[in-house]
Amino acid sequence: GAVVSQHPSWVICKSGTSVKIECRSLDFQATTMFWYRQFPKQSLMLMATSNEGSKATYEQGVEKDKFLINHASLTLSTLTVTSAHPEDSSFYICSARLSGRAYQETQYFGPGTRLLVL
Amino acid sequence: AQTVTQSQPEMSVQEAETVTLSCTYDTSENNYYLFWYKQPPSRQMILVIRQEAYKQQNATENRFSVNFQKAAKSFSLKISDSQLGDTAMYFCAFTLSGTYKYIFGTGTRLKVLA
Repeated sequence: GAVVSQHPSWVICKSGTSVKIECRSLDFQATTMFWYRQFPKQSLMLMATSNEGSKATYEQGVEKDKFLINHASLTLSTLTVTSAHPEDSSFYICSARLSGRAYQETQYFGPGTRLLVL
Repeated sequence: AQTVTQSQPEMSVQEAETVTLSCTYDTSENNYYLFWYKQPPSRQMILVIRQEAYKQQNATENRFSVNFQKAAKSFSLKISDSQLGDTAMYFCAFTLSGTYKYIFGTGTRLKVLA
């Protein structure tokens, strides 16, 4: 149980275009989902916390107009990288925490999305 | 502010041997959770083990166990009978109860040698 999927697993796009990444909890309802960014050989950096039905909370230094997050249902959150530039190239990971159950402090991670902006 | 420190950037261990990865953290709070996650070359983050701070008993999951020393703010991971599939990056994570946000350490790259 507690499986999180991400789509796409990798994407290449041209500079200036927008890219949408989906994060789904497959076998549980996730009140809260998190979006991380990971640079090569580095730790995960939290970008934003996404709560179902409300606006996302962004970490300091993360541009909310650049990284649009929508959490429309208890099983789906999306991250849209708007007007992508080469410096946005990275590995993006989502996670979700169970709601209303034991171990709700635990985050379960998706497999990640590798974004390359040319 | 809470911090998590992993002081060993890289480690190696022979197959079937035991290895311990260290993690220390800093907090003035009393209610929190600690985790070890494994990130293999596929980059999928996999939960290895979790520990509630209010529990004195050290968590164990098969070959993985922790040594949780609350007073020393230490949370080390012991991997027994190391297997080649244990080769991965290991991250220690901390979360305050009720905040749900993780603070990650910088990671330890573990290589299991045949």
